[in-house]
Amino acid sequence: EAAVTQSPRNKVTVTGGNVTLSCRQTNSHNYMYWYRQDTGHGLRLIHYSYGAGNLQIGDVPDGYKATRTTQEDFFLLLELASPSQTSLYFCASSVDRDNNYAEQFFGPGTRLTVL
Amino acid sequence: GDSVTQTEGQVALSEEDFLTIHCNYSASGYPALFWYVQYPGEGPQFLFRASRDKEKGSSRGFEATYNKEATSFHLQKASVQESDSAVYYCALSERNYAQGLTFGLGTRVSVFP
Repeated sequence: EAAVTQSPRNKVTVTGGNVTLSCRQTNSHNYMYWYRQDTGHGLRLIHYSYGAGNLQIGDVPDGYKATRTTQEDFFLLLELASPSQTSLYFCASSVDRDNNYAEQFFGPGTRLTVL
Repeated sequence: GDSVTQTEGQVALSEEDFLTIHCNYSASGYPALFWYVQYPGEGPQFLFRASRDKEKGSSRGFEATYNKEATSFHLQKASVQESDSAVYYCALSERNYAQGLTFGLGTRVSVFP
């Protein structure tokens, strides 16, 4: 089973603060994703990547940057945090399988509060 | 854009009841459809998928059949247990298969002994 870890698990910051959320997967998956989960909106895709140095824009990218430094590590950056970014953030990974829709493996989540 | 609608926001059942969660989708192409389950304090877990019309996906006693005409992928389980209490998400992927999922809002299932 794929292992996806996230840190920190909880984070509180102030409006305008700088936050970095970290994600690591240890199963050599090439695709990684960042989602946010909010009541009334479900899970929404922020950014994703198919390999080190690659970044693709998701459905709700405004206010977020991301960077994939290695195959294992994917970071989400909030450079000027706003209260609207208070949310539960999930990282996920999946493997590239030809002609198949690969399942995504999710981490345990990071709860971010922006005051 | 793509969207997924889950009719039930919450469902309360007794053990051994039959569970149905309705999922309908809107997509311009021919998407793959998924069910995920999320337990408290955890990330969503893949339950199963279907990628073509009339294909049935199943896992752990849950099943759903892809219905392209009705644009539906309803989740069913014949006899629920208390351990099935969780939030269930229907999702689709219309983009190239590894390019992210579009989720429904989720259905909270509570099973009472």
